[in-house]
Amino acid sequence: EAQVTQNPRYLITVTGKKLTVTCSQNMNHEYMSWYRQDPGLGLRQIYYSMNVEVTDKGDVPEGYKVSRKEKRNFPLILESPSPNQTSLYFCASSLLAGGLGEQFFGPGTRLTVL
Amino acid sequence: GQNIDQPTEMTATEGAIVQINCTYQTSGFNGLFWYQQHAGEAPTFLSYNVLDGLEEKGRFSSFLSRSKGYSYLLLKELQMKDSASYLCAVRVPGGGSYIPTFGRGTSLIVHP
Repeated sequence: EAQVTQNPRYLITVTGKKLTVTCSQNMNHEYMSWYRQDPGLGLRQIYYSMNVEVTDKGDVPEGYKVSRKEKRNFPLILESPSPNQTSLYFCASSLLAGGLGEQFFGPGTRLTVL
Repeated sequence: GQNIDQPTEMTATEGAIVQINCTYQTSGFNGLFWYQQHAGEAPTFLSYNVLDGLEEKGRFSSFLSRSKGYSYLLLKELQMKDSASYLCAVRVPGGGSYIPTFGRGTSLIVHP
């Protein structure tokens, strides 16, 4: 089944404790991205990747890191999480670089930072 | 910066027709998407417009006017399951190509 998977789905952590949210897609998509979604603010892009080893900042990259060592995986790293990073996170992928074509979204990761 | 505007919330009656508007002012344009998102779930693709005009897909239609920076999503024969957020996203320049940028979404409430 073609899909985007994220893990974990739910996470409660404490300020300063490094964490990684994994994202994997099995559709051989070139373009992958991370969003956070907060009430009243919609989906805001954190980072995106046009292809392997090509990543770029989105609208709200502060406090986040990403890597794209393989085409299928695009982990989101919070080196020192803070309470303002409490949010719902979505990973997405699309077939072609540049986001051409529809994006397929993962199920979301609900993160709470205490 | 990029500016994409949608109404925050709309209500409609089951069986009726509703039009959700999206206006955009962006530094470039290479297509507009509509996504549906039910509460607590991931967004799912509804439509994509890159040329002016109306695209129809079952009960849902999407319209684009590039000269006016305007799009709408038309939902006919509303059903209770259509209660969801509807997200407008515009492909804008970025990363040497174009990347999708989302508006804040419109929450649609369908009541009996």
